[in-house]
Amino acid sequence: GDSVTQMEGPVTLSEEAFLTINCTYTATGYPSLFWYVQYPGEGLQLLLKATKADDKGSNKGFEATYRKETTSFHLEKGSVQVSDSAVYFCALTDTGRRALTFGSGTRLQVQP
Amino acid sequence: DTGVSQNPRHKITKRGQNVTFRCDPISEHNRLYWYRQTLGQGPEFLTYFQNEAQLEKSRLLSDRFSAERPKGSFSTLEIQRTEQGDSAMYLCASSLTGVASYNSPLHFGNGTRLTVT
Repeated sequence: GDSVTQMEGPVTLSEEAFLTINCTYTATGYPSLFWYVQYPGEGLQLLLKATKADDKGSNKGFEATYRKETTSFHLEKGSVQVSDSAVYFCALTDTGRRALTFGSGTRLQVQP
Repeated sequence: DTGVSQNPRHKITKRGQNVTFRCDPISEHNRLYWYRQTLGQGPEFLTYFQNEAQLEKSRLLSDRFSAERPKGSFSTLEIQRTEQGDSAMYLCASSLTGVASYNSPLHFGNGTRLTVT
């Protein structure tokens, strides 16, 4: 079945540091890939998405590239801010399915 | 856009009791999803509606769980004879119909936290 594996957290960074959160996946078809973010006290919200190999999703300074050869969708940001502190979830939907399969989440803590 | 609303925010119940949660999706969204999230884990899919039709159910949705969306608007999730293992955050999400799921991202509510004692 489909699965998503994320690096364990928490990830603790200083403000303006470079961020990478690793995500790899297993899917039987041609999945679409997503990053969702959950800020403290708020619901999950879509951060970015990519629908086919080599697509790059981007939003709010975050980027992730759909790498089919390595089955990866790593999240990156060049300079993190304290306001980026949240839990980040990698997810996929496989061909013909509507449901998202989520990874276990990675907590990011950015210190001033 | 008032967002996805879930009630109650918290529910504490004794083992063996029945509980019901409600989800009000974004008004124009015709798809509605239920997920369950335990501490330190990502959300796990439970079931999905398009309008009033329940189109997919996860193996996680045991016979004690039932979900309805009678008029294609709000939805309820009922858990009968609750067990301690049911303690979790229950999330509702909604979306528009699109050509493919990536065209209609999910909008999540803040969830209902269930504690079974």
